[in-house]
Amino acid sequence: KNEVEQSPQNLTAQEGEFITINCSYSVGISALHWLQQHPGGGIVSLFMLSSGKKKHGRLIATINIQEKHSSLHITASHPRDSAVYICAVEGVWGGATNKLIFGTGTLLAVQP
Amino acid sequence: GAGVSQSPSNKVTEKGKDVELRCDPISGHTALYWYRQSLGQGLEFLIYFQGNSAPDKSGLPSDRFSAERTGGSVSTLTIQRTQQEDSAVYLCASSQSRRQGFYNEQFFGPGTRLTVL
Repeated sequence: KNEVEQSPQNLTAQEGEFITINCSYSVGISALHWLQQHPGGGIVSLFMLSSGKKKHGRLIATINIQEKHSSLHITASHPRDSAVYICAVEGVWGGATNKLIFGTGTLLAVQP
Repeated sequence: GAGVSQSPSNKVTEKGKDVELRCDPISGHTALYWYRQSLGQGLEFLIYFQGNSAPDKSGLPSDRFSAERTGGSVSTLTIQRTQQEDSAVYLCASSQSRRQGFYNEQFFGPGTRLTVL
């Protein structure tokens, strides 16, 4: 079982829809990251959070530490939101490192 | 300011050859990470540097892989005797600090796409 699981793996939505991507993890963490990767493009950090909720524009990220679960929400989705969204955890690896362990990503396609 | 840069952007090599991949982190970032993204697979951690030291090399897949960092800045990932399974996008990231509990957003470079024929 992977330490970081994302769902769904693929998601197709119509422009304007509210989108939710889920991430569950099985290790103790110090922070959770949501990343975005456009086709052929680089990786951009969207959020880094260790508790509660964060909002940037139409994007909202929440985390429940007790349940080891995080969600990324996109409100009023737009075709330009089409990308791979990756959940990654920064674990408590004994203090020597804060490497990221990644989920397999969610491929989102928003159709006009 | 400038982001993380990597070179080359693309590298095609023959099986058995050695390759060097370069990463220039954001100025002042003490932490540097190498990751790999293979076709059909997710991202995986390779090695982490804090300054010039590498306290975590646990992700290096074999002894053909090595990395160094000099002057607390530029890092080079070297793959010796490349194999076809080494084909992947190699990504570098940097962050301000490794201290847990402190802001540790990782900034990613554009990656080097390595193809081993």
